[in-house]
Amino acid sequence: NAGVMQNPRHLVRRRGQEARLRCSPMKGHSHVYWYRQLPEEGLKFMVYLQKENIIDESGMPKERFSAEFPKEGPSILRIQQVVRGDSAAYFCASSPGIANIQYFGAGTRLSVL
Amino acid sequence: GEDVEQSLFLSVREGDSSVINCTYTDSSSTYLYWYKQEPGAGLQLLTYIFSNMDMKQDQRLTVLLNKKDKHLSLRIADTQTGDSAIYFCAETGDNAGNMLTFGGGTRLMVKP
Repeated sequence: NAGVMQNPRHLVRRRGQEARLRCSPMKGHSHVYWYRQLPEEGLKFMVYLQKENIIDESGMPKERFSAEFPKEGPSILRIQQVVRGDSAAYFCASSPGIANIQYFGAGTRLSVL
Repeated sequence: GEDVEQSLFLSVREGDSSVINCTYTDSSSTYLYWYKQEPGAGLQLLTYIFSNMDMKQDQRLTVLLNKKDKHLSLRIADTQTGDSAIYFCAETGDNAGNMLTFGGGTRLMVKP
């Protein structure tokens, strides 16, 4: 059973470009969480999704950021018109149910030049 | 809001015990977790404790929970150089979605 898969592992973008980060949850997991880790800090919750639904996006910046978890395929975190402050590690976690342990992917490290 | 605090840094000698401490503010926490992060890697779940427990032991790891003081600790016995990493404490507060609130992480350095 493969773990949570995130790609790409590293992503370099210039200011103003778009970044797309992908997350495939563990098999059988229908709950996906995205977290952001700024340099030298802990992880901060961004958004919680179930298949085809955003359940809680209270940690997501109001502009430029969006997330989806379609019926088929991975969850996508999309950042439009990236700025240098978006440089961070973005982690995805999945769980089989709402009260279950979250398992993390290896993260995508975004660098904005 | 919820807040989780950890000391930034801990240095121990190989073979000694390490104790990493964490305090939290949310009294409705149901689960508390310890994750390990090695350089450039993701988070590895080490152990977790349910809020109605005082202690949990798993091989070299011992978790102690003082719910009255809202204090959580992770003890690593016989610390090895491979234990050098950042350790994050996390809790699920009273939120319907089970989202985790993380501490800032404690960097453990093990000297040979």
